[in-house]
Amino acid sequence: DTAVSQTPKYLVTQMGNDKSIKCEQNLGHDTMYWYKQDSKKFLKIMFSYNNKELIINETVPNRFSPKSPDKAHLNLHINSLELGDSAVYFCASSQVWTHQETQYFGPGTRLLVL
Amino acid sequence: DAKTTQPPSMDCAEGRAANLPCNHSTISGNEYVYWYRQIHSQGPQYIIHGLKNNETNEMASLIITEDRKSSTLILPHATLRDTAVYYCIVRSRDDKIIFGKGTRLHILP
Repeated sequence: DTAVSQTPKYLVTQMGNDKSIKCEQNLGHDTMYWYKQDSKKFLKIMFSYNNKELIINETVPNRFSPKSPDKAHLNLHINSLELGDSAVYFCASSQVWTHQETQYFGPGTRLLVL
Repeated sequence: DAKTTQPPSMDCAEGRAANLPCNHSTISGNEYVYWYRQIHSQGPQYIIHGLKNNETNEMASLIITEDRKSSTLILPHATLRDTAVYYCIVRSRDDKIIFGKGTRLHILP
């Protein structure tokens, strides 16, 4: 009974392609996030959505476009993939957008751009 | 930038208590201390958080010094499954989680 799920788990693609990663949470949370973990294992926030509205965009290239069709889903679409986009992408959610809310992370999507 | 400083790695014998230190000398009065961990190839997992008082849950205990400039995460009886990278995080003013490099904890059999 997965709380935060992501698909696909692995994604291997060529440079220049467009791809999407899907995220779903069944916790009834209002807020969802995308994080990127690079090869050096640094984990950085990319986006945050609260009730389907964008509240954080951490100077991510506009090739990355998050889409939240409803509160339970936050998908990440990436255009014109580059080698540097290779990383593990984690989706997360929290109950509300408040200071002390804990975040629950998905298992990650391992993206390799060739 | 992360607002915390942690040792890059630590070893602990299985069955013993693992004590992971964290310095956060610039913490503000309304900022919480959070601990997450990331087991290899998995997403980060919430462990515990606190403001001023010491906290305990089924996973760990959190000891925060009186001046709040440092804290210690205690895993009371470490097992091999506790091998992971442990992140100490101070929530920033705009509520982002900023992960630092963390401490890589090795539990030795």
